[in-house]
Order: sequence, then C-alpha cells, then structure tokens
Amino acid sequence: DAGITQSPRHKVTETGTPVTLRCHQTENHRYMYWYRQDPGHGLRLIHYSYGVKDTDKGEVSDGYSVSRSKTEDFLLTLESATSSQTSVYFCAISTSDRGFDGYTFGSGTRLTVV
Amino acid sequence: TQLLEQSPQFLSIQEGENLTVYCNSSSVFSSLQWYRQEPGEGPVLLVTVVTGGEVKKLKRLTFQFGDARKDSSLHITAAQPGDTGLYLCAGDPTDSWGKLQFGAGTQVVVTP
Repeated sequence: DAGITQSPRHKVTETGTPVTLRCHQTENHRYMYWYRQDPGHGLRLIHYSYGVKDTDKGEVSDGYSVSRSKTEDFLLTLESATSSQTSVYFCAISTSDRGFDGYTFGSGTRLTVV
Repeated sequence: TQLLEQSPQFLSIQEGENLTVYCNSSSVFSSLQWYRQEPGEGPVLLVTVVTGGEVKKLKRLTFQFGDARKDSSLHITAAQPGDTGLYLCAGDPTDSWGKLQFGAGTQVVVTP
C-alpha cells in the first residue's frame, strides 16, 4: 500500500496568519492532490501536481498556493488564513501512472481559523 | 454547483436490511469510483467502474455504472453495522484525466 501521511493532524490558527500543511508519500507516485471537505459540498479540488515543480489549480484555489520541490512532498500554503478556510484538508495520490484507478487519501488535517 | 448528485443524503436502517445509494450527473465520465469514509479518516476506495453497464460485486456490495456512463448505484445486501459510514461517489471527467469530481456523500447508519 502507498504510504501517505499528512501533518499536522489538527491545527488552530488566527485569521491573517500563514499556514502550511504537509503531505508526504513514501513511494514515487507522480500525481498528488489537495482537497478540502466541507459539509454539503463533499470534496473539492484545491490544487494538484503532476510532477516536481509541476502544479496546477483546481476549482477552489483562491487563497491557496502549493509547492512540490521533491516527488515525495506536496505542501499546501494558506497565505493569509481566513475563517472561510476552516475545513478538513485531504491529500491524495493516484497510485496508477498509466491509467486511473482512484485515489489513496491521507488521514486529513482539521484546520480551524479563529 | 455539485456536478455529481448523490441521493439520499442520509440513510438509517436496521441490520439485515438492504439499501441503495444513487449517484447521478448530466456529464459523462471516463470512470467512476465509490469510496467509504469513517469519522476522522480519509476516504477509502471501494471500487472503480469504467465500462457503461458494468456491474461489480464486492461481497455484499454491488456497484453498477449506467449505460451512458453518467450515473451509478451502490446496493448493499443484508447490511451490517460495519457498513456504517459516509459513501462518496467520484467521477473522472472525460476532459480532465485524474481530477475527480466528488458527490456530497450519503451517510449510512446501520443499527444492530
């Protein structure tokens, strides 16, 4: 199984502060994704990456940036956190690089912006 | 706007009963996945369906992909308390490989 870990698991931060969430995979999968999950909205794509330094925006990318300097790490940054960014954030990887067989998700980061 | 509509939003049934969850869209998908999520954890992939009309069985769970590849259903036979969870469908749009669109989910509660 693909190992994928997210850190931190929980975080409380103040409005206006920068926050970085980390996603780490133990294998060399090319595709990585950041989603947020909110009641009534399901999972919505924030950003994704298809290789080192190759990233692109998803449907809810405003207020977020990402970086991928190594295959195994995908970072999500909230430049200036707002209360609307209170959510549960999930990182996912696609374990198949030759076709699409679904995602493997991390356990999530619960972020509260006060 | 939710690209994928799931129904019902919530299901509460007794152990041993059957249930069906629906996932509908006006868009065509290359594939469709079903996930189950438990509190405090990430979704876990149950199945991927690819071909229109395809039926897959996973023990007591039966998944069907619509002929036009726009909709899907999940049927659970003789539900057990261990089937409790949030069931999510996710479609892979034909014009954006691998960028899944998720439904809002169906919360299933199975009581002994």
